[in-house]
Amino acid sequence: DSGVTQTPKHLITATGQRVTLRCSPRSGDLSVYWYQQSLDQGLQFLIHYYNGEERAKGNILERFSAQQFPDLHSELNLSSLELGDSALYFCASSAGTGSSYTFGSGTRLTVV
Amino acid sequence: EDKVVQSPLSLVVHEGDTVTLNCSYEVTNFRSLLWYKQEKKAPTFLFMLTSSGIEKKSGRLSSILDKKELSSILNITATQTGDSAIYLCAHYTNAGKSTFGDGTTLTVKP
Repeated sequence: DSGVTQTPKHLITATGQRVTLRCSPRSGDLSVYWYQQSLDQGLQFLIHYYNGEERAKGNILERFSAQQFPDLHSELNLSSLELGDSALYFCASSAGTGSSYTFGSGTRLTVV
Repeated sequence: EDKVVQSPLSLVVHEGDTVTLNCSYEVTNFRSLLWYKQEKKAPTFLFMLTSSGIEKKSGRLSSILDKKELSSILNITATQTGDSAIYLCAHYTNAGKSTFGDGTTLTVKP
């Protein structure tokens, strides 16, 4: 157990729907990163939050949004889902920017 | 646009061999370069290299950062079948962004 908890582990949903993925960082870690990993694109950085504030954005679609709550857990919201959004979504946490990172076990999203 | 390129894309060796994996990067605002090992699930952290710490070693694994050449290598000596995995290189910027390479798939045969 890495200490980073992601729920749910698997999610199957239909096109056009909206889902929320949840991440609880390791105790004491202030930074949360979200990544998308698909077969043809490798690990793509989506967004980074530090202590509740958005710190950096990567290749995150406008249909996707995220937030980090006062208890430091984070949620990634994916809406108007398309088949191409099917992927493994990871979150990672660290004590601060530039520290070592611990990944959660991921949420596998399948859009049908 | 920041870029991380890893080579080779895949590698097959036999137990006991030594391997060298390469990572080159083009980034603005470099802060650190990290190596991860990914087996079936989530990447697991191996090393972090920064401007103040350019060489790291842990057991049979070691890594060096070449700031001049904007590259890093990951060495694995006396490889074992358990070393079979995808090895990922990623850089992190001071702005809080990260970019991953496509990884090197290492297969170690008995």
